[in-house]
Amino acid sequence: DAMVIQNPRYQVTQFGKPVTLSCSQTLNHNVMYWYQQKSSQAPKLLFHYYDKDFNNEADTPDNFQSRRPNTSFCFLDIRSPGLGDAAMYLCATSRDTTGGKLFFGSGTQLSVL
Amino acid sequence: GNSVTQMEGPVTLSEEAFLTINCTYTATGYPSLFWYVQYPGEGLQLLLKATKADDKGSNKGFEATYRKETTSFHLEKGSVQVSDSAVYFCALFQHGSSNTGKLIFGQGTTLQVKP
Repeated sequence: DAMVIQNPRYQVTQFGKPVTLSCSQTLNHNVMYWYQQKSSQAPKLLFHYYDKDFNNEADTPDNFQSRRPNTSFCFLDIRSPGLGDAAMYLCATSRDTTGGKLFFGSGTQLSVL
Repeated sequence: GNSVTQMEGPVTLSEEAFLTINCTYTATGYPSLFWYVQYPGEGLQLLLKATKADDKGSNKGFEATYRKETTSFHLEKGSVQVSDSAVYFCALFQHGSSNTGKLIFGQGTTLQVKP
């Protein structure tokens, strides 16, 4: 009955090698978010989509990009991963951007070697 | 800018002990406040929320009251169980224009409950 699904659970990549993380949802929600969570730190919003409208946070590095080809899927692309990009990446959805109730996936733990 | 600060963990308690996890916030206006919980191996899930001053959110025996005067939203439970072991995140909702509203999280507090 998983509603927000992230694959893979663990991802290992090499320094500088592009990597893509995926997220899908069965809730038909309008909004999809990507958060970065480093150990013992607050989840930090990278960007979100409201439908097809992309909203990038001001301090998100250019190295991070996203695609949302349809309502159900959203991808996080890291063009040239650095050691500092090793983190848990959380995908979340919500019906709209007014309430604050988000539904999260289990996350993808990214390691950069 | 808006921010959330939680007490550092881990918090270790024996079963049936009383729990308090402190949370304070800095915000313009009066944002909605939330507690999310993350059980081992799972995603974050909403535990409770409060949308205005003096509101009390409650769920599964947990409670938190929106205190405007102290800008706080402390999480409490009268008697914790081993199954409550998890990471707890305090958050505020920052409204924005043109569908840019977002949740801002604290750093999380790990709770360990021992039998």
